[in-house]
Amino acid sequence: AQTVTQSQPEMSVQEAETVTLSCTYDTSESDYYLFWYKQPPSRQMILVIRQEAYKQQNATENRFSVNFQKAAKSFSLKISDSQLGDAAMYFCAYLQMNRDDKIIFGKGTRLHILP
Amino acid sequence: DAGITQSPRHKVTETGTPVTLRCHQTENHRYMYWYRQDPGHGLRLIHYSYGVKDTDKGEVSDGYSVSRSKTEDFLLTLESATSSQTSVYFCAISESGRTYEQYFGPGTRLTVT
Repeated sequence: AQTVTQSQPEMSVQEAETVTLSCTYDTSESDYYLFWYKQPPSRQMILVIRQEAYKQQNATENRFSVNFQKAAKSFSLKISDSQLGDAAMYFCAYLQMNRDDKIIFGKGTRLHILP
Repeated sequence: DAGITQSPRHKVTETGTPVTLRCHQTENHRYMYWYRQDPGHGLRLIHYSYGVKDTDKGEVSDGYSVSRSKTEDFLLTLESATSSQTSVYFCAISESGRTYEQYFGPGTRLTVT
């Protein structure tokens, strides 16, 4: 069965600095999607970034980028120029295509932004 | 924002009572999901639906049932609530074959005393 592991339960970063959140996953499949979701104190789940496994190029969304290492089954999230509004719980997630679109979530990393 | 609402948003109930949570969407998406979120566990899939009257179990389905009689509504029922079902429940929707992104509702906090 597929699993998603986030080894850092909590992290802190100084405002305006860069931080990287780690995620590894286990799968024997070749076609899948990976996501990072953000959950601020409001509890709303917000998609941050998406990566298709067949694409070698790392996805980027403004200050958010990923380092996707397919062979190593690693999918880290880099947040540049950290802002106070980035403080949240971040979940790494895996979706197996053509399997009713079920997503498997990691347990999350709580990110604190230090002013 | 995707049109997803959940009701109620908060509920306190006693052990042994039935509880039904409702998820309503206005996006006409095919897939709907129920998750529970607990500290240290992330989000875990309870049940999901891939069409009207088509549902299947997720990884933590024991004690829960679902129904989907219309595209827009997905109901989660706890037949006899237990304290272990105290959690935050999220509904999500997706339209397969496009971006595979799931859009989440605002969540329901359920407390079973």
